[in-house]
Amino acid sequence: GQNIDQPTEMTATEGAIVQINCTYQTSGFNGLFWYQQHAGEAPTFLSYNVLDGLEEKGRFSSFLSRSKGYSYLLLKELQMKDSASYLCAVRSGGYNKLIFGAGTRLAVHP
Amino acid sequence: DTEVTQTPKHLVMGMTNKKSLKCEQHMGHRAMYWYKQKAKKPPELMFVYSYEKLSINESVPSRFSPECPNSSLLNLHLHALQPEDSALYLCASSQGTGVGNTIYFGEGSWLTVV
Repeated sequence: GQNIDQPTEMTATEGAIVQINCTYQTSGFNGLFWYQQHAGEAPTFLSYNVLDGLEEKGRFSSFLSRSKGYSYLLLKELQMKDSASYLCAVRSGGYNKLIFGAGTRLAVHP
Repeated sequence: DTEVTQTPKHLVMGMTNKKSLKCEQHMGHRAMYWYKQKAKKPPELMFVYSYEKLSINESVPSRFSPECPNSSLLNLHLHALQPEDSALYLCASSQGTGVGNTIYFGEGSWLTVV
């Protein structure tokens, strides 16, 4: 079966750091993506991990452990505009098929 | 430039209507996708085209008919839809379908079936 779990909602304070976790159990694994989606808008690409370890991109970092079926997205120096849903997606099988988790709604408050 | 453009942004159609959603990218990508997203749910894959050939159909009802006229264009023809088909339809593209190819999404078409 295919199962991707993320917390439903998180809240954080402006300027703080937040970590959004994602665990997965899929029949195949060829990489994990994180997307940001503001309400009513399209998902925008944040990061990609295919090997174990940390990938850093400015205020955003993503970590992957394939043996544990685990990833996290780390957001630093939070800004109000970071309030959005964060989607974890696993590439499983051929033809770049992505399976999305239900998403984590992050609310950043002053 | 990672732009995927979709038209129309909003569409309201009756259950007996025939309409189409259109998608265009000029990034030279050879893979294009249709996803469906219901409110507060994640996107769900519908179709994948690779080099203008249909590669994946996720058991989508025949009232949805995809078409890829060329490598830059992707259409979704709609006919005899049901109210439960109301959703955000997202088009996406990627350079290819191999490992490491990032999928870039368009802004979506909001469809309401009445």
